[in-house]
Amino acid sequence: ILNVEQSPQSLHVQEGDSTNFTCSFPSSNFYALHWYRWETAKSPEALFVMTLNGDEKKKGRISATLNTKEGYSYLYIKGSQPEDSATYLCAFKSSGAGSYQLTFGKGTKLSVIP
Amino acid sequence: DGGITQSPKYLFRKEGQNVTLSCEQNLNHDAMYWYRQDPGQGLRLIYYSQIVNDFQKGDIAEGYSVSREKKESFPLTVTSAQKNPTAFYLCASSIGARSQGYTFGSGTRLTVV
Repeated sequence: ILNVEQSPQSLHVQEGDSTNFTCSFPSSNFYALHWYRWETAKSPEALFVMTLNGDEKKKGRISATLNTKEGYSYLYIKGSQPEDSATYLCAFKSSGAGSYQLTFGKGTKLSVIP
Repeated sequence: DGGITQSPKYLFRKEGQNVTLSCEQNLNHDAMYWYRQDPGQGLRLIYYSQIVNDFQKGDIAEGYSVSREKKESFPLTVTSAQKNPTAFYLCASSIGARSQGYTFGSGTRLTVV
C-alpha cells in the first residue's frame, strides 16, 4: 500500500491570512497527483489534477505546485476566507501496479476564523 | 444536473445482516469506485470498476461485494463477514480509470447496531 502523507493534520487561521499545506507521496512510478476540497456535509470536490513535474495550477485564490522528483506538492490559499474552511485531501496515482487506484492522504482540516 | 446519487444517507443494520448501498451516476462515466472512511484515516478503496460487468478488489475488499450490471449503477453490499462495517462510505466515478478527476457522491453513513 502506497504512503501519502499530509501536514499539518489541522490548522486554524484568521480571515485574510494566507496559508499552505503539504502532501508527500512516493517519488517513483508517478502518474498524477489530485487535490480535493471536502466541505462538511458535502461531497469532495476536485480542485486540481497535476501530472508534470514543476506544474503550477491556480483556481481563484487557491494554487498548487508539484515536485515529482522529491515527492511533494504544496497547496496555497491566499487571503483565507471563512468559506475556505474544509478538509483538503491529496491523492496519488501511480503508474505502476495498482495504477487504476487513487491513494488518499488523511487530509488537512482548515478552519478560517472570521 | 449530472452527478452521483448515493442512498440512503444514513443506514442502520443489525449485526449479522447484509446491507446494500446504492450508487447511481448520470455522468456517462466508465469507471466507478467505492471508498470507506474511518475516523483519523484517509479514504480507503474497497472496489472499483473500469467498465460494465468488470470490477476489481481494492485494498480492503474483504467482507464486501459489488456488481456492475449497468454503466450507471455500482451497488456495494456489506456482508455479515465484514468485521467492522460501521463507517462512512463514499462512491465516486471518473471518465476513465486513469482519467483526470473523480466526481464523488455525498456518502452513506452505516451504523451497525
